[in-house]
Amino acid sequence: NAGVTQTPKFQVLKTGQSMTLQCAQDMNHNSMYWYRQDPGMGLRLIYYSASEGTTDKGEVPNGYNVSRLNKREFSLRLESAAPSQTSVYFCASSEVQGDEQFFGPGTRLTVL
Amino acid sequence: RKEVEQDPGPFNVPEGATVAFNCTYSNSASQSFFWYRQDCRKEPKLLMSVYSSGNEDGRFTAQLNRASQYISLLIRDSKLSDSATYLCVVTTPHKLIFGTGTRLQVFP
Repeated sequence: NAGVTQTPKFQVLKTGQSMTLQCAQDMNHNSMYWYRQDPGMGLRLIYYSASEGTTDKGEVPNGYNVSRLNKREFSLRLESAAPSQTSVYFCASSEVQGDEQFFGPGTRLTVL
Repeated sequence: RKEVEQDPGPFNVPEGATVAFNCTYSNSASQSFFWYRQDCRKEPKLLMSVYSSGNEDGRFTAQLNRASQYISLLIRDSKLSDSATYLCVVTTPHKLIFGTGTRLQVFP
């Protein structure tokens, strides 16, 4: 099992460009999450999907959209990237909400 | 006040030392507790869950004090490979709250 996979691993964008970060899990988990991690700030929840067909805002949702494409896949979209979105983005999944979460390897995004 | 607070460190300890980290949380309704480990430029990985009665996994011991709302992690006989950031994680009914982490550096 691959666990949680994310693409791409690295990305550089110019201000105003858009992109989608992809995440997939093969553990048959119901819940999936997107976090960003910045120095000194810890992991902050952007959006989550408690189960297939539902999505909810987390702590820092502004500037992002998500799609729970199916049970396996949960994508994060930046419509108009800003330098403040420079960060490391982690996708995670858990069997149900509140359970231990398994993380993907992360996407390092730089917005110039 | 942050929902989960940890001393950021770094804790610099020699191999073989015993080191302890504490974490406090603000939500008395928190239900589950974990310690995660994060290596430099890697994803967080579960180290251990924390149970009310305390639990041990090899050289690692986790304790929970619900009355004082703090969690601790004790590492005995530190190894070079223990060098990492340790994240305290607390759940409310529907989400996990991560602390900013405590950095541990074990030196020879």
